[in-house]
Amino acid sequence: DGGITQSPKYLFRKEGQNVTLSCEQNLNHDAMYWYRQDPGQGLRLIYYSQIVNDFQKGDIAEGYSVSREKKESFPLTVTSAQKNPTAFYLCASRGQGDRSGNTIYFGEGSWLTVV
Amino acid sequence: KQEVTQIPAALSVPEGENLVLNCSFTDSAIYNLQWFRQDPGKGLTSLLLIQSSQREQTSGRLNASLDKSSGRSTLYIAASQPGDSATYLCAALGSGSARQLTFGSGTQLTVLP
Repeated sequence: DGGITQSPKYLFRKEGQNVTLSCEQNLNHDAMYWYRQDPGQGLRLIYYSQIVNDFQKGDIAEGYSVSREKKESFPLTVTSAQKNPTAFYLCASRGQGDRSGNTIYFGEGSWLTVV
Repeated sequence: KQEVTQIPAALSVPEGENLVLNCSFTDSAIYNLQWFRQDPGKGLTSLLLIQSSQREQTSGRLNASLDKSSGRSTLYIAASQPGDSATYLCAALGSGSARQLTFGSGTQLTVLP
């Protein structure tokens, strides 16, 4: 089935550690996004990529890094510089010119907790 | 910078009621507007997408409208059911080259049996 797969579902990070969240899509979409969601709040954009080997900072990029070496993959690294990383992280992708007109599709999310 | 606002933040209704969720956006230069449903601890599921050239879209008991000139969209849910309980988010896709997607903070809906 086509879709977006995020892993792991749950991740625990120790202080000072970097961790990487995986996002893979087999929808052949060019654009991919990473969002952060805190309890009871909306989504805030961390990074987005419109094409392979290119990505742009969103509203809250500090303490995060990404890469886009392959069309299917857009991993997010939460670095030790991110002082409050405990949150729910959502990856999304968007096609261009598809029949559904740029519909956004989301993965199931990854919970990151600092211990 | 686009800002998207959803009112109310929370809504509780008895089963069977028709209800309207509101979404407003500050920049009318949008490519489309999309409504999502989010269940607790889950990702977002797309409900309806309205292109900037469209006025409304319907799917089953859901109807979404778009008025670009006033910067508003509404999601109408007919004959609400307890299974409709979730958080509903709207998101505006910008029409510029950056194609940024801006979300509202959502409306948490509870349908009481």
